Amino acid sequence: EAGVVQSPRYKIIEKKQPVAFWCNPISGHNTLYWYRQNLGQGPELLIRYENEEAVDDSQLPKDRFSAERLKGVDSTLKIQPAELGDSAVYLCASSSPWGDNEKLFFGSGTQLSVL
Amino acid sequence: TQLLEQSPQFLSIQEGENLTVYCNSSSVFSSLQWYRQEPGEGPVLLVTVVTGGEVKKLKRLTFQFGDARKDSSLHITAAQPGDTGLYLCAGAAGTSYGKLTFGQGTILTVHP
Repeated sequence: EAGVVQSPRYKIIEKKQPVAFWCNPISGHNTLYWYRQNLGQGPELLIRYENEEAVDDSQLPKDRFSAERLKGVDSTLKIQPAELGDSAVYLCASSSPWGDNEKLFFGSGTQLSVL
Repeated sequence: TQLLEQSPQFLSIQEGENLTVYCNSSSVFSSLQWYRQEPGEGPVLLVTVVTGGEVKKLKRLTFQFGDARKDSSLHITAAQPGDTGLYLCAGAAGTSYGKLTFGQGTILTVHP
């Protein structure tokens, strides 16, 4: 079974530039999460989707961050414009609603460096 | 805001030694999970503990959930270089695991 797939693995941009991350969750997983992990810290939730609906985006900086999950499968997270403090690893995760909802499966993440 | 504090933040030991990582909070969690993360990869779930006082064992790893469900510990017996990584605890409030709160992690290095 394929895991959560994220791309790109690495991204280096200059500040004020836009950037986008893509995530393909595990097939059949209705819940999708975007987390941000700063160096030496644990992941912090940015947004959670149930199918195509964003059910928790309270920690998403909406002035510059946006996300979408069209058709309730793949998702993209966008930052425009990027700031130096956005440098971090952006992790996507998915979970199944059927009895194994407790288990999150994480992708390998996208490491973003803003110069 | 529920916070989870892990200690120690860094741990460097020799192969064969035992170690314990602690995860503490002033908040009650309905369940607590432990993850292990290797460089360049996402966290991988090791265990979920749900009941206060619960102890779970996974080979050389022993996980305990505090009686009051506010704290947890991870004990590794006879550590091996393959145990090297970032260990994260994460607490869930209520029944929604989408509300996981992660600790800052413990970076473990096991030297051969």
